[in-house]
Amino acid sequence: GNSVTQMEGPVTLSEEAFLTINCTYTATGYPSLFWYVQYPGEGLQLLLKATKADDKGSNKGFEATYRKETTSFHLEKGSVQVSDSAVYFCAFETDSWGKLQFGAGTQVVVTP
Amino acid sequence: NAGVTQTPKFQVLKTGQSMTLQCAQDMNHEYMSWYRQDPGMGLRLIHYSVGAGITDQGEVPNGYNVSRSTTEDFPLRLLSAAPSQTSVYFCASSYGPSGYTFGSGTRLTVV
Repeated sequence: GNSVTQMEGPVTLSEEAFLTINCTYTATGYPSLFWYVQYPGEGLQLLLKATKADDKGSNKGFEATYRKETTSFHLEKGSVQVSDSAVYFCAFETDSWGKLQFGAGTQVVVTP
Repeated sequence: NAGVTQTPKFQVLKTGQSMTLQCAQDMNHEYMSWYRQDPGMGLRLIHYSVGAGITDQGEVPNGYNVSRSTTEDFPLRLLSAAPSQTSVYFCASSYGPSGYTFGSGTRLTVV
């Protein structure tokens, strides 16, 4: 069945370090892929998305590339800030619009 | 620019009580959905709707009912609350594959 696997957290980094969060998915067809971010006490915000193979989504210094051959959508940022501390969710749109399949989330903690 | 509005933000229920979580969107989105967020499990789909009058079950529908009488509103009803329904609930709306807009959530505790 459909599933999303992302690396477990918490991931603790120092400011200006490089961040990678791995995400792989199992789905039929070629779903749209998303990264959402949840800051403490808030709802989910769309961080970036990709709708077809080899697309690169980017926003706020974060990037992720849709890799069909490895069914992956890893999130990266070259230099994190304390304000990037949040929970990051990988997700894809399943076989019909209106439904998202989420990973378990990865908590990222950035220290000064 | 309200987006997706959820009420209430917090709620405490006793086991066996019923209640309705409200969700309204002002973007004329066709698709609306309800998720619950539990620690270590991400968000799981409860029910969703692809338009007024059309609803369907998601991954964890038991104990919840929905209806969609208008494009704007998609209430979630808990028929007889149980401690296992203690969670944070998020409503979302979308239009095609353009991404989803989430509400700010309802934190529900069932005692």
